[in-house]
Amino acid sequence: AIRMTQSPSSFSASTGDRVTITCRASQGISSYLAWYQQKPGTAPKLLIYAASTLQSGVPSRFGGSGSGTDFTLTISYLQSEDFATYYCQQYYSYPLTFGPGTKVDIK
Amino acid sequence: QVQLVESGGGSVKPGGSLRLSCAASGFTFSDYSISWIRQSPGKGLEWLSYITSSATTIHYADSVKGRFTISRDNAKNSLHLQMNSLRADDTAVYYCARHYSSSSRLDYWGQGTLVTVSS
Repeated sequence: AIRMTQSPSSFSASTGDRVTITCRASQGISSYLAWYQQKPGTAPKLLIYAASTLQSGVPSRFGGSGSGTDFTLTISYLQSEDFATYYCQQYYSYPLTFGPGTKVDIK
Repeated sequence: QVQLVESGGGSVKPGGSLRLSCAASGFTFSDYSISWIRQSPGKGLEWLSYITSSATTIHYADSVKGRFTISRDNAKNSLHLQMNSLRADDTAVYYCARHYSSSSRLDYWGQGTLVTVSS
């Protein structure tokens, strides 16, 4: 199985900050990577797919990059509604695997 | 609008069984592959099982292989997960989620149903 890691596991930030979350796959997955946002008590929401394509309706302050094994999620200007946990997920091969998550909370 | 609604969760003793359902609406269910994913309390997301639109291809995570069975009824726009030999570590919120296309990103998720396995 492809192992996904994320860093950091959590951090505190302020509204207006630019934040970057890193995701690494244990083997190359081309661009078969998605990012999800999850708020407490709710289901994950798709933000980005194919490593860098914004899902319809997702604000343009979210961006993704990378291919192969190393990927990043960037939030260019953190808003109050962005405080959440973010997961990366590979869909290159089964079993599908998720990263352990990165929790972004308020400083 | 696309909706996925899980049901069937509840409390069960170790070794017991439970059958989850996922009711789909707002899209042509028979055109889409679906997965089950779970999240243990305070933990991350774990993919469990996948079924293609016509049920010709099915995958399972090693953690549930031989215990869980995924199935679908396209005539009733429903997906199921039969869970047998349940263990305490199966306690989680269970989500169904739609693949945008076969084996691709998960674009719509249900709200989840809680399964608690405890004696």
